[in-house]
Amino acid sequence: DIVMTQTPLYLPVTLGQSASISCRSSRSLVHKDGNTYLSWLHQRPGQPPRLLIYKVSNRFSGVPDRFSGSGAGTDFTLEISRVEAEDVGVYYCMQARQSWTFGQGTKVEIK
Amino acid sequence: QVTLRESGPALVRPTQTLTLTCDFSGFSLSTSQMCLAWIRQPPGQALEWLALIDWEDDKFYSSSLMTRLTISGDTSKNQVVLTMTDMSPVDTATYYCARRVAGTFDFDYWGQGARVTVSS
Repeated sequence: DIVMTQTPLYLPVTLGQSASISCRSSRSLVHKDGNTYLSWLHQRPGQPPRLLIYKVSNRFSGVPDRFSGSGAGTDFTLEISRVEAEDVGVYYCMQARQSWTFGQGTKVEIK
Repeated sequence: QVTLRESGPALVRPTQTLTLTCDFSGFSLSTSQMCLAWIRQPPGQALEWLALIDWEDDKFYSSSLMTRLTISGDTSKNQVVLTMTDMSPVDTATYYCARRVAGTFDFDYWGQGARVTVSS
């Protein structure tokens, strides 16, 4: 199974500042079809996860442009610029290269 | 408008079989590239993918749980059912169903989840 490792696991942030979460996979996520199947999801307390970013850098419908994804191969990053109060919660990276596995989650809180 | 809703028992006894149903609307599982998955989340823990069924009725299972899982779909009812046998307390979790559009979106829409507790 492909293992997904996120850092940090806890991220206190200041409103209006930027935040960055890293995700590393144990194997390359480049599929034979040429796509890289790495997604980012956000889960607020008591809510189901919601898709933010798919295929590394594509924002899902309705996701603010404050969220951006980057990376390639085995190393990926989610950036949140100008953090807002509604951005708190847990962020997960997820690979779909071979079955589906999630990172441990990064908890984002406001300082 | 895509919606999904999970239903099933809130309490299951150890060794029993869990049956969960996902009722969905806004898409058809028989449409090319459409898939539906089950994902669970133990309290305070991360997400774990369990099973997936696709538009061709192909089924995929978590390697660690495949002997206990069965996923099935009823396209006429817009329903997908997951059964998990031999339940134990470590299976206590919120169970979600989520849609996948193969080659595009992985888990773009989720249900609210069904909380299942395994206890005697």
